[in-house]
This record gives sequence, structure tokens and C-alpha cells, in this order.
Amino acid sequence: AQSVTQLGSHVSVSEGALVLLRCNYSSSVPPYLFWYVQYPNQGLQLLLKYTSAATLVKGINGFEAEFKKSETSFHLTKPSAHMSDAAEYFCAVSNTGFQKLVFGTGTRLLVSP
Amino acid sequence: DSGVTQTPKHLITATGQRVTLRCSPRSGDLSVYWYQQSLDQGLQFLIQYYNGEERAKGNILERFSAQQFPDLHSELNLSSLELGDSALYFCASSVATGPNEKLFFGSGTQLSVL
Repeated sequence: AQSVTQLGSHVSVSEGALVLLRCNYSSSVPPYLFWYVQYPNQGLQLLLKYTSAATLVKGINGFEAEFKKSETSFHLTKPSAHMSDAAEYFCAVSNTGFQKLVFGTGTRLLVSP
Repeated sequence: DSGVTQTPKHLITATGQRVTLRCSPRSGDLSVYWYQQSLDQGLQFLIQYYNGEERAKGNILERFSAQQFPDLHSELNLSSLELGDSALYFCASSVATGPNEKLFFGSGTQLSVL
């Protein structure tokens, strides 16, 4: 069975600081990995996805994630946080593309001035 | 705006009741997915329909059922509701079902069972 573990239910950073949200996955087959963002009262929006083409994946809003098979990790980073980045972030895994996504428990990113 | 429309936005009902949640996918999208987001279970895949037919099933209870109509809108029916069914129910859509498809999520229906 596939699963993802997101370390830290809340992460606080200052505006301009590095954002690092951690995600470790478990999958018996090469996985598809995703990061989604959820703003208050909105649905999920895809930030980026890994589909084995390249280990460093660049997404929207300046986010990127690196697939590390040896560490079974897919951490999300952004060099400089912006106030508008405050939201909940979900890591997800699937072995069938976008079908049957298995989500992590989410990490709420708080950005202070 | 993702283009996926869910109605109603909020629904308050009592235990034992039955409700129907509606989803209109983006224009041209043939595939519809239902997800449940609750405090206890997190975000879980429930079921997927593609062009009117059930394509994949996740952690969907027997008390729940869904269908996709010829006009491609979908309904999720929840019956014999329990307190634990209180959750945010998301619908998502995609053009097809390949691994490179992109899901677009609606803003959800917040169900409160009292």
C-alpha cells in the first residue's frame, strides 16, 4: 500500500525566509508524487508533480521539489517565503497518475512579517 | 476559479438523513473524482467516474453512492448519515484518466451532520 508522511503539522517562517516542507513516501512501485496547496475556503490546487522525467521538479509560485529515491523523500522548497504562501500544503502519491491519490495529513504554513 | 462547480457549498442535516452533493466538471472533462476531507481521516479518495462509468473505487462506504450522468455532472449520495460523516467533500475533474492528466478541484461542499 502506498502512503505519504508529512513531518510537521505546522511550519512557521518569516517573510523572505526559506520554506521547507517535508514529505516521505512509501510505494512498492515507482510513484507519481504531487504537492497541492489549499487556501482557506478553496479547493486544492496543484503546485507540482513528479512523473519520473526529472528529479528536480519546478512548480508554480516559485516552489520546487526534489525526488530522492534513496531517501524516499519529496520535500517542497521555496527560497523566499511570501505572505501569500500561507496555506495548507498536501503531499500525495499515486501509482496510477492522478487516479486514487493518497494524501498526507497536510502541513499548515504560517508566514510572519 | 478551477471551473469545477460544487453545490451546495454548505449543508447541515441530522443523523439518519440522506443528502445529495452535486458536481459539474470543467467543460470538456470526462472524468470526475470525489474526495472526502475530514479531521479524523484526512483527505481520502472515494470514487472516480469516467464518461458515465465507474472507473476506480477508494474508501467509499456502502452507505455512499455516486453516479455520473450523460451531461457529465456527478452526484454523490450519502445516506443514513452519521456524525462521523461530517466533512468537506471535494469533487475534481480531468479530461481523461492518463498519468499525465491534471486534476482540477472544486471548492467543496461542507457537510455538517448534527
